[in-house]
Amino acid sequence: EPEVTQTPSHQVTQMGQEVILRCVPISNHLYFYWYRQILGQKVEFLVSFYNNEISEKSEIFDDQFSVERPDGSNFTLKIRSTKLEDSAMYFCASSEQTGSIYEQYFGPGTRLTVT
Amino acid sequence: AQSVTQPDIHITVSEGASLELRCNYSYGATPYLFWYVQSPGQGLQLLLKYFSGDTLVQGIKGFEAEFKRSQSSFNLRKPSVHWSDAAEYFCAVGPHNTDKLIFGTGTRLQVFP
Repeated sequence: EPEVTQTPSHQVTQMGQEVILRCVPISNHLYFYWYRQILGQKVEFLVSFYNNEISEKSEIFDDQFSVERPDGSNFTLKIRSTKLEDSAMYFCASSEQTGSIYEQYFGPGTRLTVT
Repeated sequence: AQSVTQPDIHITVSEGASLELRCNYSYGATPYLFWYVQSPGQGLQLLLKYFSGDTLVQGIKGFEAEFKRSQSSFNLRKPSVHWSDAAEYFCAVGPHNTDKLIFGTGTRLQVFP
């Protein structure tokens, strides 16, 4: 069964460093998402992406964050200058169609630890 | 504001016992409702979803959920829990005309033999 994959599973970085989290969505999906979960808190929507453009973003997704589909298979989330409060589990998801009515398939997550 | 509340952070049940995980939502209309499960090292997997129609929905792995508009609830149930059901369970709402899902904080289920 097709699945969303994410690398690395765990990333440790120092405050102020740039990190890139990578995701490979399901191959025939066209809509991509990033969510994050700070320990003990809710899973929060960050951004959705389609046709090489951001479709929707939350207030969390500020100028420190960017997303990109650099090739036909990868979808990345970049944090330019990490802060301690960026420590969280980051989930990538993809779907065939847009809109919350359509099932989003999630990857296993990348745990980001900022020290 | 739209929100989801899962009142139980951690639930422990014996194998074979029945299970009910609670979920309450806040939304102006009838939202799209989802239950996801996350096993260790795995992604969030969709268990079931409700969009409209019959308020009792069946999902995978023997789970079901009932939408109760009057209580703004969408509780997840299973008549007999298996040890492999130990995982984290997330309730989510999908507001109309948006891409995003709004999740609750999750309920961690522990199953004793």
